[in-house]
Amino acid sequence: NAGVTQTPKFRILKIGQSMTLQCAQDMNHNYMYWYRQDPGMGLKLIYYSVGAGITDKGEVPNGYNVSRSTTEDFPLRLELAAPSQTSVYFCASSFGGQGYEQYFGPGTRLTVT
Amino acid sequence: QQQVKQSPQSLIVQKGGIPIINCAYENTAFDYFPWYQQFPGKGPALLIAIRPDVSEKKEGRFTISFNKSAKQFSLHIMDSQPGDSATYFCAAKFGAGSYQLTFGKGTKLSVIP
Repeated sequence: NAGVTQTPKFRILKIGQSMTLQCAQDMNHNYMYWYRQDPGMGLKLIYYSVGAGITDKGEVPNGYNVSRSTTEDFPLRLELAAPSQTSVYFCASSFGGQGYEQYFGPGTRLTVT
Repeated sequence: QQQVKQSPQSLIVQKGGIPIINCAYENTAFDYFPWYQQFPGKGPALLIAIRPDVSEKKEGRFTISFNKSAKQFSLHIMDSQPGDSATYFCAAKFGAGSYQLTFGKGTKLSVIP
């Protein structure tokens, strides 16, 4: 199993550009999550999904959108990138939502200039 | 409040020492407390977790101590090794029906030979 995979690993965007961060998992997990990690700030939940077709906002959803058309994929869309979105983005998945281990991908380092 | 306060920010110990990382929370509705370990350039990985009805949990050299009345929990690493050098995050899940983890800001541990 590849686990949770994310692409790209690194990306530089100009202010106002858009992009999609890709996330896929091959563990047949129903729950998937997007976090952002800023230095010294821990991880903050952006969006999560409890199954295909179902998504909900986390703590910091502004400026992002998600979709979940399949169990395996959970892309994160950035519209009109801003410098405040410079961060490391992690996708995670879990079998269940109530206390089940979350498996994280390797991350995407995004810089907006 | 859904905040988890973690200390210290950084910690340096000698090989064989017992680093202790502390976390405190306010909201008694939290019902699951995991610790994640993150190596540079990697995603976090679950290390050990505890529920509030248990005062201590050990897995190998890692121990969580949980003080429900004080609303504090801590991670102890016995016989620490240079390979334990990483950033450690405590987290908490907010009650039944919630899928969201609230993370502490992280502790960067360095174990020197």
